Amino acid sequence: TQLLEQSPQFLSIQEGENLTVYCNSSSVFSSLQWYRQEPGEGPVLLVTVVTGGEVKKLKRLTFQFGDARKDSSLHITAAQPGDTGLYLCAGTNAGKSTFGDGTTLTVKP
Amino acid sequence: SAVISQKPSRDICQRGTSLTIQCQVDSQVTMMFWYRQQPGQSLTLIATANQGSEATYESGFVIDKFPISRPNLTFSTLTVSNMSPEDSSIYLCSVEMTGLEAFFGQGTRLTVV
Repeated sequence: TQLLEQSPQFLSIQEGENLTVYCNSSSVFSSLQWYRQEPGEGPVLLVTVVTGGEVKKLKRLTFQFGDARKDSSLHITAAQPGDTGLYLCAGTNAGKSTFGDGTTLTVKP
Repeated sequence: SAVISQKPSRDICQRGTSLTIQCQVDSQVTMMFWYRQQPGQSLTLIATANQGSEATYESGFVIDKFPISRPNLTFSTLTVSNMSPEDSSIYLCSVEMTGLEAFFGQGTRLTVV
């Protein structure tokens, strides 16, 4: 069974602060995705990382895939209240995704 | 990406009844999946919906409880049978694109009373 561990599980910060969410596994994945989910909605894909060591930036979000393709991190710079939500990482092999437990982020104004 | 529509978006059902959830995609896709997200938890894969053959179920999920249809490359249904309050969850369909990533519908929020 492939497992993904996300940390922290809950994070509450003030607007303007930086944060990092981690996603770790003992398994190798073909690709790894980060999703953001708001209450009552399905997960929305933020990014896919494929190559070990890959770094992708999406405005204030920076995603990194570990060299061994087993772990990843999401860094948010100068967090805003609109960043509040559930962040999920998912490792994918042959189209099937295994999800981490999620990180619930609250950004207070 | 793909546009995925799920129906219904939410429902409240009596225990012992069944609910069929529909998933429609705006393009032909090879792989479709059904996930369950229990309250306060992450997503768990129920099964892979295979076009033209029986669905492939993950450990802990069985066809009698969650029958799945996949009549063509753009449509699938998931039925939650003989429901109990423990089945109250969000049910999501997803499609695989490019072999690397999945896109999700908005989900069906099911409450069993």
